[in-house]
Amino acid sequence: EAGVTQFPSHSVIEKGQTVTLRCDPISGHDNLYWYRRVMGKEIKFLLHFVKESKQDESGMPNNRFLAERTGGTYSTLKVQPAELEDSGVYFCASSHATRGGYGYEQYFGPGTRLTVT
Amino acid sequence: GQSLEQPSEVTAVEGAIVQINCTYQTSGFYGLSWYQQHDGGAPTFLSYNALDGLEETGRFSSFLSRSDSYGYLLLQELQMKDSASYFCAVGVYNTDKLIFGTGTRLQVFP
Repeated sequence: EAGVTQFPSHSVIEKGQTVTLRCDPISGHDNLYWYRRVMGKEIKFLLHFVKESKQDESGMPNNRFLAERTGGTYSTLKVQPAELEDSGVYFCASSHATRGGYGYEQYFGPGTRLTVT
Repeated sequence: GQSLEQPSEVTAVEGAIVQINCTYQTSGFYGLSWYQQHDGGAPTFLSYNALDGLEETGRFSSFLSRSDSYGYLLLQELQMKDSASYFCAVGVYNTDKLIFGTGTRLQVFP
C-alpha cells in the first residue's frame, strides 16, 4: 500500500509569490488533513476534509491560504501571496473513515518544506 | 486554551529504557497519541490511549492517566534507530484534528 505522498518536497519562493502544495492520500482514505510546523514549534492543525468537503478549517491562519480537494482524492494547498511567516514544513495526513476514536491513527506524508525569502 | 508539555530533549544509551512524559491541558480531551519522526521524514503513529492504563506494542509502551492529564511513552531496549523526535498529540472529542506537543528529541548513544 502506497503511503501519503506530497509534492514538492522543497519549495523556495519570494515574498509575494504564489505556491501550491499537493497531497495524495492513501487510496480509500476519506479523511485528509493539513498541518504545518513553523520554526521547530509544535505541529499545528490547519484543516480537515471528509471526501471533498471541508469538515473543519479552524486552523487556517488567514485568507491567503486556500485548500481544495477535488473529487475527494488529492488535495492542494495554495498560499497567495506568500509571507515570510509562512515558512515551515507543511504536512498532509489521511485516515480511514472508520477509526478507533477521535484523533486515532493518522498517516502522515513526509512534508513540504516551504521557505519564503 | 490547549497546551501540551513534553521535555525538549532526552539522551540515553543503547539497551537502556527511557520514558518521555507528556502533560496536557485541553478541553474536550478524547485520547492521547504518540508519533515518531526521524529527521526529514513523516511522523509515524506509534500508539493511542483513550482509557487509563498501559498499552504495550513490542518495545514501546504508552500510559495514560486522565485524572492527572498525564501520559508517557516508554521505550525499552533502546536501539540506535530509535534516535528521533517523539510527539504526543491529543485527540479532541467530536473533531478529528490532532493537537501536538512541541516534541522530544531522543538521542541514543552507543
